Amino acid sequence: DTVLTQSPALAVSPGERVTISCRASESVSTLMHWYQQKPGQQPKLLIYKASNLASGVPARFSGSGSGTDFTFTIDPVEADDIATYYCQQSWNSPRTFGGGTKVELK
Amino acid sequence: QIQLQQSGTELVKPASSVKISCKASGYAFTSNYIHWIRQQPGNGLEWIGWIYPGNGNTKYNQKFDGKATLTADKSSSTAYMQLSSLTSEDSAVYFCAGSYGYGGWFAYWGQGTLVTVSS
Repeated sequence: DTVLTQSPALAVSPGERVTISCRASESVSTLMHWYQQKPGQQPKLLIYKASNLASGVPARFSGSGSGTDFTFTIDPVEADDIATYYCQQSWNSPRTFGGGTKVELK
Repeated sequence: QIQLQQSGTELVKPASSVKISCKASGYAFTSNYIHWIRQQPGNGLEWIGWIYPGNGNTKYNQKFDGKATLTADKSSSTAYMQLSSLTSEDSAVYFCAGSYGYGGWFAYWGQGTLVTVSS
């Protein structure tokens, strides 16, 4: 299975820029996607195919990368962005998720 | 708008089975894939498999082969997942999610169904 390794939990202040990395154990081309999950809720798609903003998602969210190295950025962070963020690949079967990066307030 | 409405919380006994549902609305049910995803308490997300309601084709994560069975009823636009031989390890929140294509991302999600396995 393709293992996705995410950066650990981050503590941020509103207005800052936050960057989350996701490294794949093998190439996933650009079929990497990012989700936001708040406690007690379902995940929400933010970025698809590495860099495409999902419908209705604010432009302060962005993504980049290809192959095995991917980056997700929130700039600037708002208080409402406190959540866990997951990367997920759909190039290799089975589809796999990263372990999640919890973004907390300082 | 596109919605996936899942069935409610289940409390089931070990060694039994449970069938949870995911009713779709707001789009052509037979044209998109429905995936099932597990989230164990305090843990991350695991993909279980998908079903394509248009023809009933399925694909499973090998880890869940024999544990999960995916079906779909076109007449009611509802997808189902049956979990069998339940143990405490199966206690989790199960989500259904939709994608627009085989290689697609999970564009829309149900609210989740909590399954608790306990005697």
